[in-house]
Amino acid sequence: GAGVSQSPSNKVTEKGKDVELRCDPISGHTALYWYRQSLGQGLEFLIYFQGNSAPDKSGLPSDRFSAERTGGSVSTLTIQRTQQEDSAVYLCASTQNAGALETQYFGPGTRLLVL
Amino acid sequence: AQSVTQLDSHVSVSEGTPVLLRCNYSSSYSPSLFWYVQHPNKGLQLLLKYTSAATLVKGINGFEAEFKKSETSFHLTKPSAHMSDAAEYFCVVSDRRGTYKYIFGTGTRLKVLA
Repeated sequence: GAGVSQSPSNKVTEKGKDVELRCDPISGHTALYWYRQSLGQGLEFLIYFQGNSAPDKSGLPSDRFSAERTGGSVSTLTIQRTQQEDSAVYLCASTQNAGALETQYFGPGTRLLVL
Repeated sequence: AQSVTQLDSHVSVSEGTPVLLRCNYSSSYSPSLFWYVQHPNKGLQLLLKYTSAATLVKGINGFEAEFKKSETSFHLTKPSAHMSDAAEYFCVVSDRRGTYKYIFGTGTRLKVLA
């Protein structure tokens, strides 16, 4: 079946502009994660959605970052007033259920470059 | 707090020789540990995961890892490296504190020499 998809695959924007990154999880997967992969910080957790529960936003680096998940499926990560330090690869992952032994399936990522 | 430490940022091996990528973990709980591989400009792919059913875990492409509680280690090995194994490898622990988010090691870049 189809894996996790993300769009766009690449995004170049100017400092100060807003960007939206999209994630389509595997159908039927209840949990969805966003991570950021950057040269200086490695791979770091951003936000987690599970069913209808309140999201865990503890990894968001600033209030310029927000995310939503509509209908328990597609998720959008929004970065407002982008800064150069936001340049990174943004990865989305989903799991069938919530649990420590669940395998997270990752999308190919969106490479964001802020000029 | 849970964490993983990958002891080598870069490893170089010759094709056909064994591979050893080292990972140590720290966890207050019985850990859930994973190894992922990332090829250049590709997504993260699961190699194997430790589920406590067996301490020696076999994964894809001939990789395996052994969970050693006494050494708090989960090293990744392969008997014979192939050129296609050149990639970055991440050791991961799943955070058991509610969200099960992944906590990643800093990665080991494996280079395979012809």
